[in-house]
Amino acid sequence: DAMVIQNPRYQVTQFGKPVTLSCSQTLNHNVMYWYQQKSSQAPKLLFHYYDKDFNNEADTPDNFQSRRPNTSFCFLDIRSPGLGDAAMYLCATSLGDTTYEQYFGPGTRLTVT
Amino acid sequence: KQEVTQIPAALSVPEGENLVLNCSFTDSAIYNLQWFRQDPGKGLTSLLLIQSSQREQTSGRLNASLDKSSGRSTLYIAASQPGDSATYLCAVQADKLIFGTGTRLQVFP
Repeated sequence: DAMVIQNPRYQVTQFGKPVTLSCSQTLNHNVMYWYQQKSSQAPKLLFHYYDKDFNNEADTPDNFQSRRPNTSFCFLDIRSPGLGDAAMYLCATSLGDTTYEQYFGPGTRLTVT
Repeated sequence: KQEVTQIPAALSVPEGENLVLNCSFTDSAIYNLQWFRQDPGKGLTSLLLIQSSQREQTSGRLNASLDKSSGRSTLYIAASQPGDSATYLCAVQADKLIFGTGTRLQVFP
């Protein structure tokens, strides 16, 4: 089945230690998104790629970066995680932007100790 | 600035009841609206997508309606089951997807 895969499902990192979260897709979609969802809150868009074009949300902290080496993979890098970065990180894909349905992966729950 | 509100925040019902979950949004200039299901500690599962030109969509026991002019959508769940217990999120798509904070549903046997 075509799908969105996130690895790892659970990640524990230390305060200030860089961490990378991974997302891959077999849908061959053009757009890949990263969302942050803190406990009992709505998911919040961090950034997205339309093909190789990177689009950063204005309020996304500089501590968060992303890479998309090819169509299938997208990475979220947190350079110096703080306690406030503990959250569920959700990856999503869509065929195009705005009018197209978004398909979400299972998420990676990040704990910062 | 688009804001999405979901009422009620939590709902607990006995099995078999028909349910209505509400979603309202402040800016009617949207491309579509999606309803998602989220189980505890899990990702989002898309339930229904309604394009801005549509009035409703149905999938099995689920029916979602959209009234763009009044900024409202409802998700109707028929004959609820314990397996329907989850958080239900609505999201509107304009230049990006904006989510509500969800309705946490518990269906007890």
